[in-house]
Amino acid sequence: GNSVTQMEGPVTLSEEAFLTINCTYTATGYPSLFWYVQYPGEGLQLLLKATKADDKGSNKGFEATYRKETTSFHLEKGSVQVSDSAVYFCARNSGGSNYKLTFGKGTLLTVNP
Amino acid sequence: ETGVTQSPTHLIKTRGQQVTLRCSSQSGHNTVSWYQQALGQGPQFIFQYYREEENGRGNFPPRFSGLQFPNYSSELNVNALELDDSALYLCASSLESGPSGANVLTFGAGSRLTVL
Repeated sequence: GNSVTQMEGPVTLSEEAFLTINCTYTATGYPSLFWYVQYPGEGLQLLLKATKADDKGSNKGFEATYRKETTSFHLEKGSVQVSDSAVYFCARNSGGSNYKLTFGKGTLLTVNP
Repeated sequence: ETGVTQSPTHLIKTRGQQVTLRCSSQSGHNTVSWYQQALGQGPQFIFQYYREEENGRGNFPPRFSGLQFPNYSSELNVNALELDDSALYLCASSLESGPSGANVLTFGAGSRLTVL
């Protein structure tokens, strides 16, 4: 079936450090891939997405590249800020429709000043 | 443009009771999906509604049911509550544009249900 495995946290970094959160997915079909972010007390917000192999999604300094050969979609940011502290979820869709998403367990990121 | 709003934000129920959670979709969106997020876990898909009919369902028992209204708002009903139903319930809306559409889910802040 469809599944997403992401690096378990928590991840603690200092401001301006480099961030990588690993994410791999099962290679069933041709999914679109997403990163969502959840700030404390809020719902999920779409951070970025990629719909086909070799696509790069980017937003707010975050990037992730759809790697079909390694079934990965790792999230990176060159210089994190305190305001990036949140839980990050990797997700894939199924059935060609974006409403049914399979999420990873989430990675808590804490950025210290 | 208003976002997705959910009510209530928090509620406490006891085992065996029934609960109804409500969701108003984002303006211009015509589909609603519901997800359950247990503590420390990622959200799990419950079901989706499109044109007032259930259009897809995850691995949840029939005591989880829903409705979508003509204004695209939605309800999630859970009967015979169990302790494991304690979770954050997230509603997400989107604009259905066909199987190849790049529609994106917009999530609400959720309703946190505690079952005692």
